Amino acid sequence: EAQVTQNPRYLITVTGKKLTVTCSQNMNHEYMSWYRQDPGLGLRQIYYSMNVEVTDKGDVPEGYKVSRKEKRNFPLILESPSPNQTSLYFCASTRDRKTGELFFGEGSRLTVL
Amino acid sequence: DAKTTQPNSMESNEEEPVHLPCNHSTISGTDYIHWYRQLPSQGPEYVIHGLTSNVNNRMASLAIAEDRKSSTLILHRATLRDAAVYYCILRWDSNYQLIWGAGTKLIIKP
Repeated sequence: EAQVTQNPRYLITVTGKKLTVTCSQNMNHEYMSWYRQDPGLGLRQIYYSMNVEVTDKGDVPEGYKVSRKEKRNFPLILESPSPNQTSLYFCASTRDRKTGELFFGEGSRLTVL
Repeated sequence: DAKTTQPNSMESNEEEPVHLPCNHSTISGTDYIHWYRQLPSQGPEYVIHGLTSNVNNRMASLAIAEDRKSSTLILHRATLRDAAVYYCILRWDSNYQLIWGAGTKLIIKP
């Protein structure tokens, strides 16, 4: 079954404690991206990756890092989380950025105290 | 910027057709029109997309105006499971990034 898998689904952490949200897809997609969703603000792109070792900033990259060492994995790293990073995070992938269907993970709800 | 305008919410009765409108008056000639939906507590889910011609798939139909400044997502027979937020989106920039608006919250009444 084609899917995008995120972990953890839920996490409560404290300010400054580094964390990583993993994302894995089994569709051999080249393009992957991370979004955050906040009430009233819709989905905003954090980072995206067009292929292995190729990443770029989206609209709201501050406070986040990503890496793409393998095609299937695209982890989101919060080096020093702050309360304003409390949000719902989604990973997505697609075969074709222009016309293709975006496949989303089920989301990771992060709370930073 | 190519932006879309959708009603905040719509209500429909179960087993009736639903027409969800979207205005995109600044659309460019190469912008594809995409529709996604987000069910409660889930990630967005692809529904349909098109460029100029009307499109059909197993989930819905997409009717695109001749001038492409508006489109309508048609759910032919709504069920309670279709209750979701529906997003009409254009890919507008050179990075083919999706620009997400607030969407339309569709409420289905039994």
